[in-house]
Amino acid sequence: KQEVTQIPAALSVPEGENLVLNCSFTDSAIYNLQWFRQDPGKGLTSLLLIQSSQREQTSGRLNASLDKSSGRSTLYIAASQPGDSATYLCAVTYSWGKLQFGAGTQVVVTP
Amino acid sequence: EAQVTQNPRYLITVTGKKLTVTCSQNMNHEYMSWYRQDPGLGLRQIYYSMNVEVTDKGDVPEGYKVSRKEKRNFPLILESPSPNQTSLYFCATSLTGGTEAFFGQGTRLTVV
Repeated sequence: KQEVTQIPAALSVPEGENLVLNCSFTDSAIYNLQWFRQDPGKGLTSLLLIQSSQREQTSGRLNASLDKSSGRSTLYIAASQPGDSATYLCAVTYSWGKLQFGAGTQVVVTP
Repeated sequence: EAQVTQNPRYLITVTGKKLTVTCSQNMNHEYMSWYRQDPGLGLRQIYYSMNVEVTDKGDVPEGYKVSRKEKRNFPLILESPSPNQTSLYFCATSLTGGTEAFFGQGTRLTVV
């Protein structure tokens, strides 16, 4: 069974620093990997989706990389802002229609 | 506006009283899915549907039923809710089973 791990579970950085969030998965046979943002009491917002054939995806200040051979993805958020405070979740599609989520990294960006 | 709408947003019910949580999408997506989110356990998939009349079990299907009679709707049915089904429930949709997922705002269910 696919297992997805996110380390660290929580992270606090001062405003302006770059954020680096890690996601690892046990089985490299994936269709894609997605990064989501979740605000307290809210639903999940899709940030980036990387197909299994891609190495990275970028959107504004966000950049996500994917290394299937080592079972890792990294989400970089440049020049963090207090509004980036949220929980960030990664999820892999390991079988058509089946997603496995990590437990998330709770991020606090202090002004 | 593209939307995934869940109702109700909050529900407190008693053990054994049948309930339905509705999910509706206006994006003409083929794929819909239900998840529950619990502290320390993260998000776990309950059921998913690749298309109308096609449903399949996720990782934690026990105690739940679903139906997909129309493309836009995918209700989650708890025939006899128990306290261990107290959780935050999310509906998600995507164009297919391997594309970007869009989530509803969640339904917080408490079973007493």
